[in-house]
Amino acid sequence: ELKVEQNPLFLSMQEGKNYTIYCNYSTTSDRLYWYRQDPGKSLESLFVLLSNGAVKQEGRLMASLDTKARLSTLHITAAVHDLSATYFCAVDPETSYDKVIFGPGTSLSVIP
Amino acid sequence: DTEVTQTPKHLVMGMTNKKSLKCEQHMGHRAMYWYKQKAKKPPELMFVYSYEKLSINESVPSRFSPECPNSSLLNLHLHALQPEDSALYLCASRSGGGGIYNEQFFGPGTRLTVL
Repeated sequence: ELKVEQNPLFLSMQEGKNYTIYCNYSTTSDRLYWYRQDPGKSLESLFVLLSNGAVKQEGRLMASLDTKARLSTLHITAAVHDLSATYFCAVDPETSYDKVIFGPGTSLSVIP
Repeated sequence: DTEVTQTPKHLVMGMTNKKSLKCEQHMGHRAMYWYKQKAKKPPELMFVYSYEKLSINESVPSRFSPECPNSSLLNLHLHALQPEDSALYLCASRSGGGGIYNEQFFGPGTRLTVL
């Protein structure tokens, strides 16, 4: 059974600091997604990583994928309060093209 | 148009009621999804329709009944729900196939309360 894990599950960080969220998964897949969810809202797509070594950046967020290690990272640079949200990684299992398995989410709080 | 719409935004229903949730997308996406999300948890997959056919049913109780009338519409019919079914119900759509896969686009959700 495919499992997707994230750590940390909760993260409180100061504005201006850097930090990394980790997402690892238990089976082969070369497709990984990062989503953001604000409280009471729906999910917003952040990054689509479709191959080993893929790296994408948007503003203060950078995501990477290592399919051999089955690991993705979401790096936050110089955090600002607006980044406070829950971040989910999600993986396509190779055994089911339609299915998407979500990690438990990382709740990020950026404090002044 | 890169939007997935859902109606209603909020729904309160009794355990004996019958209601329906509606989802619509006009992006030509081939796959449409229903998820249930409880507070502080990830979305939990319920159903997937691919090319208007039910491709995944994650052992969801029969009190939830999905329907895909056409490639743009997805319904979730609700009957005899329990209070523990109260949650945010999210619809999503996705393009892809032929080895090309993209992210899911999520609707704003329906906040369901079962009394």
